[in-house]
Amino acid sequence: DAGVTQSPTHLIKTRGQQVTLRCSPKSGHDTVSWYQQALGQGPQFIFQYYEEEERQRGNFPDRFSGHQFPNYSSELNVNALLLGDSALYLCASSQGTSGESTDTQYFGPGTRLTVL
Amino acid sequence: AQKVTQAQTEISVVEKEDVTLDCVYETRDTTYYLFWYKQPPSGELVFLIRRNSFDEQNEISGRYSWNFQKSTSSFNFTITASQVVDSAVYFCALSEAEAGGSYIPTFGRGTSLIVHP
Repeated sequence: DAGVTQSPTHLIKTRGQQVTLRCSPKSGHDTVSWYQQALGQGPQFIFQYYEEEERQRGNFPDRFSGHQFPNYSSELNVNALLLGDSALYLCASSQGTSGESTDTQYFGPGTRLTVL
Repeated sequence: AQKVTQAQTEISVVEKEDVTLDCVYETRDTTYYLFWYKQPPSGELVFLIRRNSFDEQNEISGRYSWNFQKSTSSFNFTITASQVVDSAVYFCALSEAEAGGSYIPTFGRGTSLIVHP
């Protein structure tokens, strides 16, 4: 049973560029959440997707956008990259039912983004 | 607003010592969930336990045990007879129901545990 997978593992970009990160949820899960984890900090919630729509959003600017596909996989897009966007980006999946998502979130290995 | 405090930034122990990681939370909801995750150097957050606000029973799983006390808003995690493989950053998290019914965890800043051989 495959867990949550993310690609790529590492990424180096320059300021102003755009980046797309990808996530495949754990088998049987339909809800995907994205987090940003800066060095020495806990993960910060970016947004959550369920039924191909953004259901909840954290305190992140519109430069951060996402998408969920019919197979429940998801992408995180970040435009106009800033140095401060350098972080570990974690994807988590869970099982939501009828708009509720009380189940535990299972995390992927993350994508390490470095912005130069 | 929900908040999680892990006051211990780093703990260093020698193998076989017992160690307790503290977690204090703040919430105005009566229904909420508490979690512990382990993050080894590889970066992936590994789920350890989930506890709902109506279940104050302590739990033991092998060398791990958790003490949930609503009276002090604490959810502490104890590792008995620590091993080098326990070295990691441990995160406590709290979920409240958001608008629309989803639960989004808020994480503490983590406690780095170093177990020396």
